[in-house]
Amino acid sequence: GEDVEQSLFLSVREGDSSVINCTYTDSSSTYLYWYKQEPGAGLQLLTYIFSNMDMKQDQRLTVLLNKKDKHLSLRIADTQTGDSAIYFCAEAFRGGGYQKVTFGIGTKLQVIP
Amino acid sequence: EPEVTQTPSHQVTQMGQEVILRCVPISNHLYFYWYRQILGQKVEFLVSFYNNEISEKSEIFDDQFSVERPDGSNFTLKIRSTKLEDSAMYFCASRAGMNNQPQHFGDGTRLSIL
Repeated sequence: GEDVEQSLFLSVREGDSSVINCTYTDSSSTYLYWYKQEPGAGLQLLTYIFSNMDMKQDQRLTVLLNKKDKHLSLRIADTQTGDSAIYFCAEAFRGGGYQKVTFGIGTKLQVIP
Repeated sequence: EPEVTQTPSHQVTQMGQEVILRCVPISNHLYFYWYRQILGQKVEFLVSFYNNEISEKSEIFDDQFSVERPDGSNFTLKIRSTKLEDSAMYFCASRAGMNNQPQHFGDGTRLSIL
């Protein structure tokens, strides 16, 4: 079945780059997501990448996908205190035309001023 | 930018009571979903809904759960007889009809069962 693994915690200094890593198991994933959740808030879609892509860049965010190793990473350049949140890696499995998303446990990013 | 809206933001209910969580998906979206997140745990898929019927459901989505799209805008999740373990954050999501579109989530409803 589908499973998504990610580390629980990451601490970085303001201005440094953050790299959050994720591994997934389902090779038939159609695309992979990164969501951000601030305390008490909902799931904000940050970015997503199709499974036939290797990289996607969107302003300070860079997503790298290694399909061979089933490894996904999110790099946040020039990390700010406002980036402190939980970041969820998720894979979308397209079954029968529908799409079920499987989430990782979430990585808590702490940005130290 | 259009967004998924959920009401209420927090619902407190006595165990055994029925509860209905409401969602207004993005207007031109065709696929609708419910997920839940028990405190400290992963976000878990509950059910997907398309063309006025359930397309897939998880083991969590037992006979106590039902979904409905009563009109052209709302998408509801009903829990018939709530249990303590139903306490969680419930997220609604919707997706456009084309395959290369992501799911967009609402801010969630925190359900507390007493």
